[in-house]
Amino acid sequence: NAGVTQTPKFQVLKTGQSMTLQCAQDMNHNSMYWYRQDPGMGLRLIYYSASEGTTDKGEVPNGYNVSRLNKREFSLRLESAAPSQTSVYFCASRTRDSSYEQYFGPGTRLTVT
Amino acid sequence: LAKTTQPISMDSYEGQEVNITCSHNNIATNDYITWYQQFPSQGPRFIIQGYKTKVTNEVASLFIPADRKSSTLSLPRVSLSDTAVYYCLVGVWVNQAGTALIFGKGTTLSVSS
Repeated sequence: NAGVTQTPKFQVLKTGQSMTLQCAQDMNHNSMYWYRQDPGMGLRLIYYSASEGTTDKGEVPNGYNVSRLNKREFSLRLESAAPSQTSVYFCASRTRDSSYEQYFGPGTRLTVT
Repeated sequence: LAKTTQPISMDSYEGQEVNITCSHNNIATNDYITWYQQFPSQGPRFIIQGYKTKVTNEVASLFIPADRKSSTLSLPRVSLSDTAVYYCLVGVWVNQAGTALIFGKGTTLSVSS
């Protein structure tokens, strides 16, 4: 049981390049989330998916797109990377019940130059 | 989602009890209060969740007064390894659509020997 996995762990992009961050969970959770965390800051919600086939915008969705490929996988795409998107990206998942216990992945550290 | 306010930082010594208070004046009737812990370079980890009165688990206790406008996370006899950022979140569970947790900046707890 690997929990929540994210790939890649590190990435450097040039301004204007695109890339997709991958996230997968093996806990059969319904809900999945993408957050970004800038240095010294708390986490900010980018997008979330309450269940397979649905996605919703969070606090800071501009510049990102997401795909809930199936119940296990939730990807985050940067179409045209900007230096302001330099951050650590965390994926999380949660089961559909009354608990707020979210399980987080190890994060992807992205630098855009 | 209700906004939370918590101290930016706190200092303690090993063996002491640490209480971190979070204020959430606009908490709604069906909101739960949840606390997360985050170590450097890791994703947040769920600590405890409660609705009212007191909740205790193997890691911490959560005290919630009757008016629920604040809550206090209590960490008994902290050690150096409890040095981390602690986040207080208030979120409502919406059964079908799900909901997403919004993180603030958290409280940085520094434990010294």
